Amino acid sequence: QVRLQESGPGLVKPSETLSLTCIVSGASMNDFHWGWIRQPPGKGLEWIGFIDYGGSTNYNPSLQSRVTISLDTSNDQLSLNLSSVTAADTAVYYCARHAMEFEYSSSSFYYYMDVWGKGTMVSVSS
Amino acid sequence: ETVLTQSPGTLSSSPGESATLSCRASHSVSSTYVAWYQQKLGQAPRLLIYGASRRATGIPDRFSGSGSGTVFTLTISRLEPGDFAVYYCQLFGSSPLYTFGQGTKVEIK
Repeated sequence: QVRLQESGPGLVKPSETLSLTCIVSGASMNDFHWGWIRQPPGKGLEWIGFIDYGGSTNYNPSLQSRVTISLDTSNDQLSLNLSSVTAADTAVYYCARHAMEFEYSSSSFYYYMDVWGKGTMVSVSS
Repeated sequence: ETVLTQSPGTLSSSPGESATLSCRASHSVSSTYVAWYQQKLGQAPRLLIYGASRRATGIPDRFSGSGSGTVFTLTISRLEPGDFAVYYCQLFGSSPLYTFGQGTKVEIK
């Protein structure tokens, strides 16, 4: 069974860097993309970005200048760094496996997030 | 950027009834790029449907998805107490690469 577990400080000061880790167990990190999604209190979901096994990344343009996602495959670990945080970055942060499935019979690609961590709440406050 | 608009914002239904949720894209999209998630209070989202109509592993057949072009629908038949939650549609392929609708809350009438 694939499990993802986020961890990191629950409180970050404004202008500092938010750093989170996600440990992946029960699955190889090959063949999937791994990424982050966040959810401000009482609001909807916002995709932050993902990274593939080779280290290629894709970020939400709204966060691109401040976000870095990295992968440590030797330790089955995914990381998120978000710099220059403000109160607007207060949210529950989820890591998720991003599946990209190709169906040969229809030559179709399917894209979805099939495994999620439980999430970790991060507050930005002085 | 393709915007996803979900309706209604809140749907009040009773156990045993059916619920129909809508997700409208601002531009025509491939149905294989559309997914639906369920989020219960205090929990992470759970994948229900991908490719607009394919149920994820372990999802009961009371959940069904359909649609094409700009309009996609999630139907929940015979609502059970555990189905009262917030539902999000999601699209791949726009900018940002993944976008979510704002969610539909299904509440007990």
